Amino acid sequence: AQKITQTQPGMFVQEKEAVTLDCTYDTSDPSYGLFWYKQPSSGEMIFLIYQGSYDQQNATEGRYSLNFQKARKSANLVISASQLGDSAMYFCAMREGSFGQFYFGTGTSLTVIP
Amino acid sequence: DGGITQSPKYLFRKEGQNVTLSCEQNLNHDAMYWYRQDPGQGLRLIYYSQIVNDFQKGDIAEGYSVSREKKESFPLTVTSAQKNPTAFYLCASSPLGSSTDTQYFGPGTRLTVL
Repeated sequence: AQKITQTQPGMFVQEKEAVTLDCTYDTSDPSYGLFWYKQPSSGEMIFLIYQGSYDQQNATEGRYSLNFQKARKSANLVISASQLGDSAMYFCAMREGSFGQFYFGTGTSLTVIP
Repeated sequence: DGGITQSPKYLFRKEGQNVTLSCEQNLNHDAMYWYRQDPGQGLRLIYYSQIVNDFQKGDIAEGYSVSREKKESFPLTVTSAQKNPTAFYLCASSPLGSSTDTQYFGPGTRLTVL
């Protein structure tokens, strides 16, 4: 079974609008971390936001927020007030425990339309 | 500045040749990782290492080899046994001991087989 599933290969959003990128995960480990990364066309991977399995509140970092629904095993990324520079690939990832490898989804390509 | 460096940025290889991709970090991270990314695809784990002189195979280790003689360095050799090596290769590092710690990525190496 896939550890991380991203079901949206491509998304479009109007500039200044909000957009939600979906991510579901699969684990039986009670301790895990969820991460979102942005990959512009240059190829670099940029860390955006983190959510821990024991965190009671949804994580927020500037225009990024993570909608964490533990019972549904979902960790959706919300980008508010989209900007043209947000056009990129976005990857959801998970780490089980403190020593395990990271598992990545297949990514979502986001295009911001002026 | 602390970070991860990868060299070269672009690499061309003739069929049948082995090539080595460099990855160096000065973040004092214990764990290091190598990923392969094909166009429009997610990241696939090749190898990872959590301690010097020890490493584990990832999902697609066939045709690749690594070494971890120093904490700072984790070179990847693409051997002639790798039948389709043209791809984008990303190196990453992370601390160990907490699921909250993200991975930090290098800028990547684009390998093309001629």
